[in-house]
Formats: sequence, structure tokens, C-alpha cells
Amino acid sequence: DQQVKQNSPSLSVQEGRISILNCDYTNSMFDYFLWYKKYPAEGPTFLISISSIKDKNEDGRFTVFLNKSAKHLSLHIVPSQPGDSAVYFCAASRSRDDKIIFGKGTRLHILP
Amino acid sequence: KAGVTQTPRYLIKTRGQQVTLSCSPISGHRSVSWYQQTPGQGLQFLFEYFSETQRNKGNFPGRFSGRQFSNSRSEMNVSTLELGDSALYLCASSAPGGRTYNEQFFGPGTRLTVL
Repeated sequence: DQQVKQNSPSLSVQEGRISILNCDYTNSMFDYFLWYKKYPAEGPTFLISISSIKDKNEDGRFTVFLNKSAKHLSLHIVPSQPGDSAVYFCAASRSRDDKIIFGKGTRLHILP
Repeated sequence: KAGVTQTPRYLIKTRGQQVTLSCSPISGHRSVSWYQQTPGQGLQFLFEYFSETQRNKGNFPGRFSGRQFSNSRSEMNVSTLELGDSALYLCASSAPGGRTYNEQFFGPGTRLTVL
């Protein structure tokens, strides 16, 4: 049972435009949501997170939006840069001490 | 500060064999989590160890086991290997005193191929 779903396996965006990566979840007990970025041959690196008590969190070019009623979150990257080409994983957890559940990832291609 | 290290980086085994993977967390980190990454399933949680005790466990068969030593280094073992165990195995460590999500650091992974 996939509790965290990233329905787009890949996404191509023109450099300088906005990249929007989407994520849906099924478990209403999830309390904390995270985005990780992964380059080939490297482990994932933490990007940004959001608590369920918020609906938006911003860090530089990256903004995460959370819609609890729709059980949906999205990551916005503005403007998109070539170095943003990577696999992005959405993840969620029920609490600080609980396991983190990852989605299958979305491969983002930034086109020149 | 040195990052999370995993050894070996690559491993080739045959069906039925067993394998042990090692993870050295960032100095001072007491929590170590293990994940399996495959193209079809993404990152799947295996287990987490904190202060030598398994704190969380994923939905993997008993062939997958782990342990953590007093220096926080962790090992995971897979017995009776199957072709489907071919994957990238990732280890992540977290800060002391419990996990704050933005402090989970991943190692580069061990690529296991089962023939």
C-alpha cells in the first residue's frame, strides 16, 4: 500500500521557469512532510520540510505547499536552474520518532 | 565533519548467499536508518536503530536484519539472497537526542547485485 504517491515519474521544465512537483498521501496521521533531492550515485539530501500545522514553507527558491484537506503537497522551484535536474522524493512521517515513508520519486529535467 | 560512509560501495552476490553491509554515521549521531531503493518501488524503509535498539521497523521479511554497535555504527544483514534483493541500500544518520527531520543525512549507498 503506497501511502505516499508521486504520480509523475518524470517532469521536464525550461530553465528559468517554475517547476511544480506534486505528492499525494493517504494516511491522515502524517504530521510532517519532507522533500529530498537525489543526484545519481549519491544519497538523497534534505531539501525542505513542512509541519502539518502550516500550509506553506519557503526556503530561497523552494516553496512547499500543504493542502491537508486534499492530502496533497507540492514543491515549487522558482526559477528552475540546470543544477535542479535530479530525482525528487516526497516523504512523510507520523511523528518525530516514527519511520519516514518515501514516495517513488519524480525525475526533474531542466531544459536549456 | 565527515559524512555518512557506507561500505562496500558495490557488491555482487549469488542467490542463496548472505551479505553484510556497514554504515558509519556522522560523528555524534545516534540514530541510523536503512532504506532499500529500487527503480520500481522508490525508497522503502527497512529499520531504524537508536542507541543500539531497533526503534522502528518496515515491512520486510525476517531475512533482513540489522544491529547497531555502541559507537553507533550499524550493520544490516540479508540472508538467503534472492534476485529481487538487488537494489541500492541507503543508510541515513540523525542528530543526537532523537531525530529532527532536517538532520537526517544519507550515505552514498551500497549497490547490491544478486545473480
